[in-house]
Amino acid sequence: NAGVMQNPRHLVRRRGQEARLRCSPMKGHSHVYWYRQLPEEGLKFMVYLQKENIIDESGMPKERFSAEFPKEGPSILRIQQVVRGDSAAYFCASSIDRDDTIYFGEGSWLTVV
Amino acid sequence: GENVEQHPSTLSVQEGDSAVIKCTYSDSASNYFPWYKQELGKGPQLIIDIRSNVGEKKDQRIAVTLNKTAKHFSLHITETQPEDSAVYFCAASKGPMGAGGGADGLTFGKGTHLIIQP
Repeated sequence: NAGVMQNPRHLVRRRGQEARLRCSPMKGHSHVYWYRQLPEEGLKFMVYLQKENIIDESGMPKERFSAEFPKEGPSILRIQQVVRGDSAAYFCASSIDRDDTIYFGEGSWLTVV
Repeated sequence: GENVEQHPSTLSVQEGDSAVIKCTYSDSASNYFPWYKQELGKGPQLIIDIRSNVGEKKDQRIAVTLNKTAKHFSLHITETQPEDSAVYFCAASKGPMGAGGGADGLTFGKGTHLIIQP
């Protein structure tokens, strides 16, 4: 039973480019969460999605960041016009239900140069 | 919102000794407290969790204690081994199992870098 799959694992982007991070939840899981981890910091919640719906995006920056979880395919976290401060590890997690244990993926490390 | 403080930020212990990591939380409505282990370049892995109706939980060499009155909880690792070296994160949430994101979801501490000296 594969875990939460994230790709790419490492991504380098120049300032102003776009970054797209993908997440496939565990089999049977329809709830997806994105967290960001800055160096020497804990994980900070960004957004919570179910299939085709954004449930809670209270942790998302107001500009340049967006997320989706389409009916088919992985969840996508999109960062437009990246800046150096976007450099971080982005973790996806999934759960079977809202009130169930969440499991994290291995993360995507974004470096903006 | 919830605020979770974690101490110490770095902990070095001799192999075979015990390690204790402590966390405090601010929101008395929080009722689920998981601990995660994160190895370098990997995602957080749930190692143990406790709910607010329980004061202590143990799983082999790992135990967690919870004091709801004082709003603090601790991770105890006994007979430490080199493979225990990692960053450990505590978290708190108001949702039953930490899911749900946002205000009811997981709020993490800043992590403790545990170093096991051979």
